[in-house]
Amino acid sequence: NAGVTQTPKFQVLKTGQSMTLQCAQDMNHNSMYWYRQDPGMGLRLIYYSASEGTTDKGEVPNGYNVSRLNKREFSLRLESAAPSQTSVYFCASSRQGQGNQPQHFGDGTRLSIL
Amino acid sequence: KQEVTQIPAALSVPEGENLVLNCSFTDSAIYNLQWFRQDPGKGLTSLLLIQSSQREQTSGRLNASLDKSSGRSTLYIAASQPGDSATYLCAPDRGSTLGRLYFGRGTQLTVWP
Repeated sequence: NAGVTQTPKFQVLKTGQSMTLQCAQDMNHNSMYWYRQDPGMGLRLIYYSASEGTTDKGEVPNGYNVSRLNKREFSLRLESAAPSQTSVYFCASSRQGQGNQPQHFGDGTRLSIL
Repeated sequence: KQEVTQIPAALSVPEGENLVLNCSFTDSAIYNLQWFRQDPGKGLTSLLLIQSSQREQTSGRLNASLDKSSGRSTLYIAASQPGDSATYLCAPDRGSTLGRLYFGRGTQLTVWP
């Protein structure tokens, strides 16, 4: 019962490097989300995908890009990492559009930018 | 924008106490409100989802109430146990942005034996 799987779990980057955070869900959910969590702040939405083939900006999209590769996978890319992007990143999924369904979260990716 | 406030920020109680965690939000036009728990270094686990048409939802020792018109939700934890120690997060959505959740900073709960 994998649920939402995020890779990698930890990553250290240098300023200016690029990387892609991977997320996959096996619950046949149509909606997927990327959040970041910083100390002393609530989770903030970066991007979301309501269904396969669509993506929309959330509250803090600057410096990030996303790809909804297929129904299962939703990746988050940092093109040129900055220290301000040091954070814990969470991917979530839900079955929106078919009643009131909860969001399910992965265990997170802890990213440090030096 | 939906602003979410959770009170108290931290709570430390002895085992066996009944607890009340409070959540308030600014935009009452919601479809759902979820309560989550987060253990240190872990992701979020959904505890309860309350639909806007409901006033409360129960799961075991947990009971969540919702007063949509006043923008408030409360999570009751009965007979607290050390295993309940975690951060509890409240997350309403917003009617105009279906599916998007807005999070408070959470209440950090410690239950000691």
